Amino acid sequence: DQQVKQNSPSLSVQEGRISILNCDYTNSMFDYFLWYKKYPAEGPTFLISISSIKDKNEDGRFTVFLNKSAKHLSLHIVPSQPGDSAVYFCAASGLSGAGSYQLTFGKGTKLSVIP
Amino acid sequence: NAGVTQTPKFQVLKTGQSMTLQCAQDMNHNSMYWYRQDPGMGLRLIYYSASEGTTDKGEVPNGYNVSRLNKREFSLRLESAAPSQTSVYFCASSNRGWEKLFFGSGTQLSVL
Repeated sequence: DQQVKQNSPSLSVQEGRISILNCDYTNSMFDYFLWYKKYPAEGPTFLISISSIKDKNEDGRFTVFLNKSAKHLSLHIVPSQPGDSAVYFCAASGLSGAGSYQLTFGKGTKLSVIP
Repeated sequence: NAGVTQTPKFQVLKTGQSMTLQCAQDMNHNSMYWYRQDPGMGLRLIYYSASEGTTDKGEVPNGYNVSRLNKREFSLRLESAAPSQTSVYFCASSNRGWEKLFFGSGTQLSVL
């Protein structure tokens, strides 16, 4: 039972264009959402987050949008740069299906920004 | 700027062998975590320690044990390694519960 879903395993975007990475969740108890970025042979690093009381959070070129009614969030990167090429993980925190408070990750989307 | 340090970076084991993955953080964080990453599976929580002296099971705890040695260190032990435990293991820490984890660089483990 996958509670956080990233349905696109990969995405290719031209440099300078917008990258949109999508994430869906099924657990209505999730109340905080995060995006992590991972380069090969490195650990994931925190990128941006959003609380369930907001619908948008912006940090430089990165914006996360949350649509609670649709249980959907997206990460927008504008403009995309070659250095953004990485795997992006969506994560959600809150009471898990097992009844404990946990951070649940999606499977990741590999973004390739083409120069 | 060490952050979260994991050792070793690479390890090859034979089925049935045991080993301990070490993790230390220098950020004075209360909580520490062990995740595994498998192709197409994302990051899955093995065990976590919300504070010094406590440990709890995560999503995939079978075949593992953990020890929160002190506030800085959190080790993961494989008592009898199996090929299914071939994975990349990440240790993480945080000071705000489940928000904003800081990850180590990972341990690539192969069990033959």
